[in-house]
Amino acid sequence: DAKTTQPNSMESNEEEPVHLPCNHSTISGTDYIHWYRQLPSQGPEYVIHGLTSNVNNRMASLAIAEDRKSSTLILHRATLRDAAVYYCILSSGTNAGKSTFGDGTTLTVKP
Amino acid sequence: GAVVSQHPSRVICKSGTSVKIECRSLDFQATTMFWYRQFPKKSLMLMATSNEGSKATYEQGVEKDKFLINHASLTLSTLTVTSAHPEDSSFYICSASPGQGGTEAFFGQGTRLTVV
Repeated sequence: DAKTTQPNSMESNEEEPVHLPCNHSTISGTDYIHWYRQLPSQGPEYVIHGLTSNVNNRMASLAIAEDRKSSTLILHRATLRDAAVYYCILSSGTNAGKSTFGDGTTLTVKP
Repeated sequence: GAVVSQHPSRVICKSGTSVKIECRSLDFQATTMFWYRQFPKKSLMLMATSNEGSKATYEQGVEKDKFLINHASLTLSTLTVTSAHPEDSSFYICSASPGQGGTEAFFGQGTRLTVV
């Protein structure tokens, strides 16, 4: 699986937008970009995924660069409950449940 | 949305005993499920792929005799940690997806295993 690179940590103030970057320069044409987040002592939770076009859902937005070599997860108004480790993952194989996790970005939200 | 349920969420066992962890897909059939292991402050590491009706596929370095996987139905996979030792203490997580790369994956709540 192609690798992704994310900053180790980021901080945000509550109720402000957060932009979490991810680099995936070796992405292939069939790779989907997935984002998951993990709270302490819980399994990862799906956030959003996309292929080429930007995507929006109730949790977040995903902005994908035109060359697809990078993407940005956008949390429009961070809350304390958004504090988690965010993982950017590429998935194209036979099953989306099989993922190669990098170190992710630890997001701290300050009140 | 689809849910993957894992049980138990926490277990403490004595060295030398075996522990079974269950992973169920609640509203979709999963011919394939995946087991991960996570050490404190580390990322998830894929251990094995559980295949319904056939043998599991283990990642390099994972002992298949230590971590027995059974996928007896389209909604249930079990991971048995045999003859557990303190170094097997970890957070174990399963995942499943109803589709391929363009489909979201669902993860269980995780099982915290402590071997004393």
